[in-house]
Amino acid sequence: QQPVQSPQAVILREGEDAVINCSSSKALYSVHWYRQKHGEAPVFLMILLKGGEQKGHEKISASFNEKKQQSSLYLTASQLSYSGTYFCGTGWQAQKLVFGQGTRLTINP
Amino acid sequence: EAGVAQSPRYKIIEKRQSVAFWCNPISGHATLYWYQQILGQGPKLLIQFQNNGVVDDSQLPKDRFSAERLKGVDSTLKIQPAKLEDSAVYLCASSTGGWGTFFGQGTRLTVV
Repeated sequence: QQPVQSPQAVILREGEDAVINCSSSKALYSVHWYRQKHGEAPVFLMILLKGGEQKGHEKISASFNEKKQQSSLYLTASQLSYSGTYFCGTGWQAQKLVFGQGTRLTINP
Repeated sequence: EAGVAQSPRYKIIEKRQSVAFWCNPISGHATLYWYQQILGQGPKLLIQFQNNGVVDDSQLPKDRFSAERLKGVDSTLKIQPAKLEDSAVYLCASSTGGWGTFFGQGTRLTVV
């Protein structure tokens, strides 16, 4: 079952914050977040595990709400380099990841 | 550390022709995946290998797609015969089977 991401697209000015949500109709064991720039491969950002803590990487962090079967990706004080399409993938460890449809993030100067 | 290598980067073929893609995973990664990414969509898993054995190929259209991973390292994905709807980016990825999957740059296939 494909996870649902929201919003589908976001346009921000540099320095603004963004939140991208990933929801599943099935119980989540792990959520993986990737960023893909146009014409490039998806780049692994972080993984969140059931029962695990919120993860963070510089100004990008994520949370995992097991009850809501949802994960959220937080981008703080966005930089131009954050532009791209963000995908969440859900599954058990890295096995058989099912990806959402993606959220396109555009950061303008 | 070298990343996942794929070739070719681009391929244009006519429908009903055959095509093959090659992937060399990150050294030491036992798990290898082939994904299909249609424009504007997320990657869709086609097949997963653990060493040289198939773990999951439930979404592989086996009437036209085949994949192998000889000696548990390199892998090839073949389409024969190709259809228009096969136009997509084919991504190879590898992992240690634990945490984090790393993708190659992909092969963009156009079927005309």
